[in-house]
Amino acid sequence: DAMVIQNPRYQVTQFGKPVTLSCSQTLNHNVMYWYQQKSSQAPKLLFHYYDKDFNNEADTPDNFQSRRPNTSFCFLDIRSPGLGDAAMYLCATSSHIAGAYEQYFGPGTRLTVT
Amino acid sequence: RKEVEQDPGPFNVPEGATVAFNCTYSNSASQSFFWYRQDCRKEPKLLMSVYSSGNEDGRFTAQLNRASQYISLLIRDSKLSDSATYLCVVILTDYKLSFGAGTTVTVRA
Repeated sequence: DAMVIQNPRYQVTQFGKPVTLSCSQTLNHNVMYWYQQKSSQAPKLLFHYYDKDFNNEADTPDNFQSRRPNTSFCFLDIRSPGLGDAAMYLCATSSHIAGAYEQYFGPGTRLTVT
Repeated sequence: RKEVEQDPGPFNVPEGATVAFNCTYSNSASQSFFWYRQDCRKEPKLLMSVYSSGNEDGRFTAQLNRASQYISLLIRDSKLSDSATYLCVVILTDYKLSFGAGTTVTVRA
């Protein structure tokens, strides 16, 4: 089945130790997003790629970086995780053909910072 | 003012009951809206789109009120499996969505 896959599902890292989260998709969607979601809060958009064009949200900390080497893969790098970065990280994709803007989410990576 | 606001609930209802809740949005130019469902510790999943005057999908009905800038979701004949958090989503531009924090519904036996 076509889908959005995230690895790992659970990640534990130490304070200040860099971590990379990965996302892949078989939907061939041209737009990919990274969201951060904390308990009982709305998903917060960190950045997105429209094709190869990277779009950073104004309030996304510099500690967060992203790479999209090809259509199928997208990575979230957290250079120096702090305790406040513990959250669920959601990858999503969308395709804007015929005005379809629905986003399809991966299962998320739950990040714990110790 | 937040772009999208929802009553967090929780709405605690018995099986078979009808439950309804609203979501307000601040950008009057918003054209498209969604309801997503999110189960505990899982990813959001599209429940239904809300276009023009709203739509119905089985036991779920979504309505749009442009004049008052809100959308609503109504669930009829509630099932235990309807227990979840329902996220209101507004399209801000062609490809960016704004999420509400969600309304939690708990259906009890």
